Amino acid sequence: DTAVSQTPKYLVTQMGNDKSIKCEQNLGHDTMYWYKQDSKKFLKIMFSYNNKELIINETVPNRFSPKSPDKAHLNLHINSLELGDSAVYFCASSQQSYEQYFGPGTRLTVT
Amino acid sequence: GIQVEQSPPDLILQEGANSTLRCNFSDSVNNLQWFHQNPWGQLINLFYIPSGTKQNGRLSATTVATERYSLLYISSSQTTDSGVYFCAVEQYGNKLVFGAGTILRVKS
Repeated sequence: DTAVSQTPKYLVTQMGNDKSIKCEQNLGHDTMYWYKQDSKKFLKIMFSYNNKELIINETVPNRFSPKSPDKAHLNLHINSLELGDSAVYFCASSQQSYEQYFGPGTRLTVT
Repeated sequence: GIQVEQSPPDLILQEGANSTLRCNFSDSVNNLQWFHQNPWGQLINLFYIPSGTKQNGRLSATTVATERYSLLYISSSQTTDSGVYFCAVEQYGNKLVFGAGTILRVKS
C-alpha cells in the first residue's frame, strides 16, 4: 500500500504554461505539506495544511496555489511556469507535529 | 531562523566500514528526523528522534537536545547505503528545516 502518492512522477512543460501536481495520503494524517528540492538537493518547505486549512506559506510566489479538497489530498497548482520552477516537488504528511512521511516526488522540468 | 549544519558534506567508504554523520542545530527543537534519499530520489524515513538513542538494524541515532546535535551511525556499510542523508528539525508549526545533507558513497 502506498502511504503518500504523487502524480505525475515526471512533468515536462514549456515556460508560461499552467500545471498541477496531485498528492494523496492514506495514513489518516491531519497535516500535509509541499516541499521543493532544488538542483543542489536543498529541501525547503513551501506550504502546510492542517485539516484543509493553510497554516504555513513560506514566501512562495503567488503563482503557486495549493488546494486541499479534504484532509487526504493536497494539490499544487502552478501558473505561468518559469525556468526557475524546475525542481523536484515532494508532498509529505504527518499527524500533527510528529514524524513526516514523504511521497516519491515529482520532477518538474520547464523548458 | 534556525540553522542546521551537517558534516561531513561528502563521505566515501569501502564496503564494510563504519561511519558517523553529524547534525548540529542552532536552537532548541521539538522534533528531529533523519532521512536517506536513495539514488532514485525517494526520501526514506530513518529515525524520528527528538532526544535519546534509537537503533534499527545496522543504523542507530543519538540526539543530545541540550547540546543541540544528533549523530547517525552506520555500521558495516553496504553499497545500498549510498545516497544523501538529511537531518531535519522542527522548531514550531510542524515546519521541518533541512540541513544540506551528507553525500555517502559506499564502494564495493
